[in-house]
Amino acid sequence: LAKTTQPISMDSYEGQEVNITCSHNNIATNDYITWYQQFPSQGPRFIIQGYKTKVTNEVASLFIPADRKSSTLSLPRVSLSDTAVYYCLVGKEAAGNKLTFGGGTRVLVKP
Amino acid sequence: GAVVSQHPSRVICKSGTSVKIECRSLDFQATTMFWYRQFPKQSLMLMATSNEGSKATYEQGVEKDKFLINHASLTLSTLTVTSAHPEDSSFYICSARSDSHNSPLHFGNGTRLTVT
Repeated sequence: LAKTTQPISMDSYEGQEVNITCSHNNIATNDYITWYQQFPSQGPRFIIQGYKTKVTNEVASLFIPADRKSSTLSLPRVSLSDTAVYYCLVGKEAAGNKLTFGGGTRVLVKP
Repeated sequence: GAVVSQHPSRVICKSGTSVKIECRSLDFQATTMFWYRQFPKQSLMLMATSNEGSKATYEQGVEKDKFLINHASLTLSTLTVTSAHPEDSSFYICSARSDSHNSPLHFGNGTRLTVT
């Protein structure tokens, strides 16, 4: 299982863009990169998933360089409600393959 | 989207009793479900992989006789904390992934267990 490294915490202000980079130097060929968001006392919620280059959905963008040894989650124009812990996971996308959580990044959005 | 329902959301029990937590995939079938526990301000720690129709696979350091897992159907897995002690107090979370390719994990909303 590829190990991931993220910053422990980040502070931002409302309306700013937040970029969180995750390092995964040992990523395997078949591994996908998935980001989750977790609020206190709730289960994690899926944000975005990608394999290479760039993926964008209605809430975030995911940038993956050609070597895939890192990825960057971009949250545009954050609001106070985006304060949460963000986890980067790397693993094979098959039903039975377990995913292990790293430490996550605690993002605090200030008014 | 895929929904995973976890019940109860919180439970308080006395030391020595057992507690059962249910995890259901509401609109998809899950041959595999995962159980995690999370202590305050810490990340999720994988406890075990629950396989429908077979024995669960436990992570190193997790006592299989204390944390009983049953996955009797494609939509239901249960975790029973047996003879609970105060140190078992934690946030327990289940997750599941549909069998379709590239499907991400979907998580339940967790169960806050407090053992007094």
